[in-house]
Amino acid sequence: DGGITQSPKYLFRKEGQNVTLSCEQNLNHDAMYWYRQDPGQGLRLIYYSQIVNDFQKGDIAEGYSVSREKKESFPLTVTSAQKNPTAFYLCASSLQGAIYGYTFGSGTRLTVV
Amino acid sequence: AQKITQTQPGMFVQEKEAVTLDCTYDTSDQSYGLFWYKQPSSGEMIFLIYQGSYDEQNATEGRYSLNFQKARKSANLVISASQLGDSAMYFCAMSPYSGNTPLVFGKGTRLSVIA
Repeated sequence: DGGITQSPKYLFRKEGQNVTLSCEQNLNHDAMYWYRQDPGQGLRLIYYSQIVNDFQKGDIAEGYSVSREKKESFPLTVTSAQKNPTAFYLCASSLQGAIYGYTFGSGTRLTVV
Repeated sequence: AQKITQTQPGMFVQEKEAVTLDCTYDTSDQSYGLFWYKQPSSGEMIFLIYQGSYDEQNATEGRYSLNFQKARKSANLVISASQLGDSAMYFCAMSPYSGNTPLVFGKGTRLSVIA
C-alpha cells in the first residue's frame, strides 16, 4: 500500500543537539512539505519541495534545514539554532501542487529535555 | 497571500445532532480549492472534503457537506448526525490553482461530541 511514513513517532532532544526527522513516501508524489503544529497555532509551514534537489522556505524556516536528494525522501533537521523546538511535526506530500490536496504522515512529537 | 480564519476555537454538539464549523478565507486568486481535514487525538490528519472555486454544487462526502458561499468567502463544514468518533480538531485549508502554492491552514476548531 502506498503511503507516507514519518519516523520516529516520539523524539527527545537535549539542549544544543541537532536532530533529524525522517519522512518517506512511496506515492510517487512530486511535492513534499513540513509543518509544525503547536497548541492553538494550527499548522505552520517550515519548508517545502516541489522537485528533487530544490526546496523553498516556509513561514518559520529559521532553525531548520532540509534536503531533497531523492523524490521519496524529505528529511527535516532541527538545529540547535531553533530555540523552541518542542512541537508536533507533520510531513505531507502531494502531486504537482497542493491543489490536489495532501497525504499526511502520522507525525513526530519532538520534546526538548 | 491567502488567509484562513476559523473563529470557533471549540464547539460542543449532542450526539446525533448536526453541527456547522465556520471557515472564512481571503484570497485575490480567482481559482482555488478549499479543503477540510480532521485530526483525532492520535495526531494523524484525515482528508474529509474538497470544494473547487468554480464548482456550482456544494461538495458532499457521506455525513460531511461543505456550505460554499463564494461571495461571502465562506466554506463552512456541516457534519450531520454527529457521532462520538467525530470528536477531534478540524482544519480548513485552501490553495490557489496556480503557482504550486502550499496549503494554508486555519487554526482549527476542536469539536466535542457529547453522548
